[in-house]
Amino acid sequence: DQQVKQNSPSLSVQEGRISILNCDYTNSMFDYFLWYKKYPAEGPTFLISISSIKDKNEDGRFTVFLNKSAKHLSLHIVPSQPGDSAVYFCAAHPGPYSGGGADGLTFGKGTHLIIQP
Amino acid sequence: EPEVTQTPSHQVTQMGQEVILRCVPISNHLYFYWYRQILGQKVEFLVSFYNNEISEKSEIFDDQFSVERPDGSNFTLKIRSTKLEDSAMYFCASSEWATSNQPQHFGDGTRLSIL
Repeated sequence: DQQVKQNSPSLSVQEGRISILNCDYTNSMFDYFLWYKKYPAEGPTFLISISSIKDKNEDGRFTVFLNKSAKHLSLHIVPSQPGDSAVYFCAAHPGPYSGGGADGLTFGKGTHLIIQP
Repeated sequence: EPEVTQTPSHQVTQMGQEVILRCVPISNHLYFYWYRQILGQKVEFLVSFYNNEISEKSEIFDDQFSVERPDGSNFTLKIRSTKLEDSAMYFCASSEWATSNQPQHFGDGTRLSIL
């Protein structure tokens, strides 16, 4: 039951170029979406989020786009830096109107981003 | 920057034994969560906790598991009669409010190895 899908297990991008990580979801009740970054032997670190009332949210080099009709979101990192090499997880939450006040996040399997010098 | 801390970082336990994983959430956060990640698989939600009681739990969180806030700072996950398949990374997380528009912040996890 893959409610959140990240279809690319890995992605290799040259330093300085744009990295685009994709995520699809199937559950229409999802209302809030997050991206996390994870280094080995560490926990997921929150990067950026977006609510379903928006289609774009930007924070420095990171921009998340949400296409609700396509049930698709993407994370853009520009310019990509060596320190961006990590596993990136997309996660989703049902939001308050589904009754999921303290529901857990549903995660994708992650995409391993490799930034090449 | 405040962070979620988890102890121990690695726990090795014999099958059938009980184990307690500990977490100190971020101090002004009100919602607490446990997740697990079996090697090679997704991060999976186990349970959420608010106002000293379980708020939500997944089907994974059966009678073998329990959570507790024994004092004002610690949040614990107890696993009774551990099985080989309980071997996983266990992550604690906390959020200031319910995650309708608040991110959950994660600790670095406890690696649980059942022998």
